[in-house]
Amino acid sequence: AQTVTQSQPEMSVQEAETVTLSCTYDTSESDYYLFWYKQPPSRQMILVIRQEAYKQQNATENRFSVNFQKAAKSFSLKISDSQLGDAAMYFCAYRSAYNNDMRFGAGTRLTVKP
Amino acid sequence: GEEVAQTPKHLVRGEGQKAKLYCAPIKGHSYVFWYQQVLKNEFKFLISFQNENVFDETGMPKERFSAKCLPNSPCSLEIQATKLEDSAVYFCASSQSGNRDGPYGYTFGSGTRLTVV
Repeated sequence: AQTVTQSQPEMSVQEAETVTLSCTYDTSESDYYLFWYKQPPSRQMILVIRQEAYKQQNATENRFSVNFQKAAKSFSLKISDSQLGDAAMYFCAYRSAYNNDMRFGAGTRLTVKP
Repeated sequence: GEEVAQTPKHLVRGEGQKAKLYCAPIKGHSYVFWYQQVLKNEFKFLISFQNENVFDETGMPKERFSAKCLPNSPCSLEIQATKLEDSAVYFCASSQSGNRDGPYGYTFGSGTRLTVV
């Protein structure tokens, strides 16, 4: 079974600074997708960024980018120019291309200090 | 519609009572997923459907939990004889199949908060 590990329960960043959230996963599959979701206090799950395992190029979405290291099974999220609205729980997720199920990490709570 | 609609938003049940949660997936999405998020924030996979067929139910506590996705009806998750430990937020998500030409992520509903007292 696939597992997703987020080793940082909590992270803190100063407004306008950059922060990196870590995620590692374990799988024997060759085809899969990786995601970062943001969950603000409202509990709504918001897709931040996604990466296809077959693509070598790291995904970027405005201030959000990933460092995808397939051999190391690592998928970190970098948030640049952090804003107060970025404060939330962030979940790393793995989705199998074979059965479509998604597995989540335990989450990292990000605090943004003004 | 373009959102996953979950009802009710909040549900309070006495221990031993039945709870039923509903989810209307996005039209055209063939996969539906149920997750349980407890206070520790961990997401526990419960069950997935491909159309009306159970796709993966490895996360379901089968003694008391059941789920259905019938044609032309919202999907449902039912808990018989609720226990205190069932208190959680239950999320439904829907998706098209994961293929290289289509969206791969889930669209989540806003969740149903179940409180068992």
